[in-house]
Amino acid sequence: KAGVTQTPRYLIKTRGQQVTLSCSPISGHRSVSWYQQTPGQGLQFLFEYFSETQRNKGNFPGRFSGRQFSNSRSEMNVSTLELGDSALYLCASNVGGSSYNEQFFGPGTRLTVL
Amino acid sequence: GENVEQHPSTLSVQEGDSAVIKCTYSDSASNYFPWYKQELGKRPQLIIDIRSNVGEKKDQRIAVTLNKTAKHFSLHITETQPEDSAVYFCAAPSWGTYKYIFGTGTRLKVLA
Repeated sequence: KAGVTQTPRYLIKTRGQQVTLSCSPISGHRSVSWYQQTPGQGLQFLFEYFSETQRNKGNFPGRFSGRQFSNSRSEMNVSTLELGDSALYLCASNVGGSSYNEQFFGPGTRLTVL
Repeated sequence: GENVEQHPSTLSVQEGDSAVIKCTYSDSASNYFPWYKQELGKRPQLIIDIRSNVGEKKDQRIAVTLNKTAKHFSLHITETQPEDSAVYFCAAPSWGTYKYIFGTGTRLKVLA
């Protein structure tokens, strides 16, 4: 099976712009989660989607949003970018029936905000 | 809210020695405790996990122990090797919330 893929791998944006990141889960996986990874902060949970529904959301401002399509692919959007949004954004997929499933991570999208 | 504390943040050991990383969680509803390893420039990958109905699980040089009463679990790596150098993350997802809460990570350096 192909692994989780994310596009683009690298992005450079300026403050105030918006960005859309894409994640394609492993075939058959219906749950997609998004994380922000920064040095010293570890992996911070952004949100989780299952069957096009957001089931939970982390403590991030409303500038961060996401969605999931019927084929389980997911996108996340960050509007009005700030310098502090520079990070590695990881998505992870799992089979989806439970919180207790292994998370399979994508390679990440490294976002730099200038 | 849910919280997972992980210690230490960095750990250096000599090759062949053991390494122990400890996590403490707050949500008593947590019943599943995975550990992920992230090598430099790579994605996190699951290396071992434990469910609350067991107190210890081993897989070759890696073991995880769980103390539900104290709400902490630990990763033990024996006979460390240079390829064990990585960042290790613990997690304690809460049942039914579909929310994975990770610890802040431990950077392990195995010195040859």
